[in-house]
Amino acid sequence: QQPVQSPQAVILREGEDAVINCSSSKALYSVHWYRQKHGEAPVFLMILLKGGEQKGHEKISASFNEKKQQSSLYLTASQLSYSGTYFCGTEELGGGADGLTFGKGTHLIIQP
Amino acid sequence: GAVVSQHPSRVICKSGTSVKIECRSLDFQATTMFWYRQFPKQSLMLMATSNEGSKATYEQGVEKDKFLINHASLTLSTLTVTSAHPEDSSFYICSARRLADYNEQFFGPGTRLTVL
Repeated sequence: QQPVQSPQAVILREGEDAVINCSSSKALYSVHWYRQKHGEAPVFLMILLKGGEQKGHEKISASFNEKKQQSSLYLTASQLSYSGTYFCGTEELGGGADGLTFGKGTHLIIQP
Repeated sequence: GAVVSQHPSRVICKSGTSVKIECRSLDFQATTMFWYRQFPKQSLMLMATSNEGSKATYEQGVEKDKFLINHASLTLSTLTVTSAHPEDSSFYICSARRLADYNEQFFGPGTRLTVL
């Protein structure tokens, strides 16, 4: 089942913060976050496996709620290079070694 | 480490011809490789899961006779689009999972297919 991402799009000025949400109606085994720039393949940002987990590097972090049905990606003090489309990819509990089901994406535009 | 390559990066072909796309894990062995398709301004959609030495598992709605997948080794999977038609024009992306790291998927750079 495809996860729901929100918002669909967001426009920020450089230095502002953004939060992108990814929700599923079913409990998840994992959530993967990717950023894709136009014409390029997705670039891996991070993976979350444990309920209540928070992780991140530099100014990009993410959380996974206790019920493992919702994840949020936090972009702090955004830079121009953060522009792109952000996708969450999910694996459902009991899904086996399947590929990821991606949300529809969130378009992020950072303006100077 | 964990680099995945695809070849070709871009291909244009005539309707009715077949096109083969290669996906290689360059510096690691992949237990599983996945093939995704992405139409313009849309999300990635999983087409099939490929395990070395066994038949690929196709997602619902993906024709296995049209999209032939061969996973010949732990570092190579190929996708052949047979009798391609304009509606098959898309961005095809593969990903691979390392033997040592079950969870993370590493994506190739993608292949843009245009069928005239």
